[in-house]
Amino acid sequence: AQSVAQPEDQVNVAEGNPLTVKCTYSVSGNPYLFWYVQYPNRGLQFLLKYITGDNLVKGSYGFEAEFNKSQTSFHLKKPSALVSDSALYFCAVKTSGTYKYIFGTGTRLKVLA
Amino acid sequence: DVKVTQSSRYLVKRTGEKVFLECVQDMDHENMFWYRQDPGLGLRLIYFSYDVKMKEKGDIPEGYSVSREKKERFSLILESASTNQTSMYLCASSTPTGGGQPQHFGDGTRLSIL
Repeated sequence: AQSVAQPEDQVNVAEGNPLTVKCTYSVSGNPYLFWYVQYPNRGLQFLLKYITGDNLVKGSYGFEAEFNKSQTSFHLKKPSALVSDSALYFCAVKTSGTYKYIFGTGTRLKVLA
Repeated sequence: DVKVTQSSRYLVKRTGEKVFLECVQDMDHENMFWYRQDPGLGLRLIYFSYDVKMKEKGDIPEGYSVSREKKERFSLILESASTNQTSMYLCASSTPTGGGQPQHFGDGTRLSIL
């Protein structure tokens, strides 16, 4: 069965420091991987995706993610965190030919001033 | 930009009522989805639709039904609301499978059943 794991419920980081939000996945076939961000009382906003090609994907607001096939991971990173990055982050996966997107349980990022 | 609009941001209903949640998208997307979001559980798929009048059950369809009479509109119906259906409901749309297209989400409806 397809699944996504976000092992950390919450990540705290000081403003200006690099941040990493972890995601691992399990699928049959080649994955399409996504990161979304959710601010309070809002829907999910798309940040970036991996389809194929370069393992380092760049997205919105300075975020990037690294696809690692051998470790089945797709960690979200940012070199220098901002207080405004504080939000709930979701990783998702789907495979070609399916309608369904599988979401992780989310990681709350808190950036401390 | 794709716009997915959910008709209500907040809704309060009573147990046993029939509840309608409406979602409209303006990008001619074939696929539309309804999720519920609960703390610690992430997003769980209730139903999705890949065309007008076509629907598929998701992971938690019990107690819900859907309607898609027009391509741009996807409605979620709680046939007889219960307190355990108190949740945040999110609608999303996307272009068809084949490519890795992201979903586009509405701002959600926070539904309370009293």
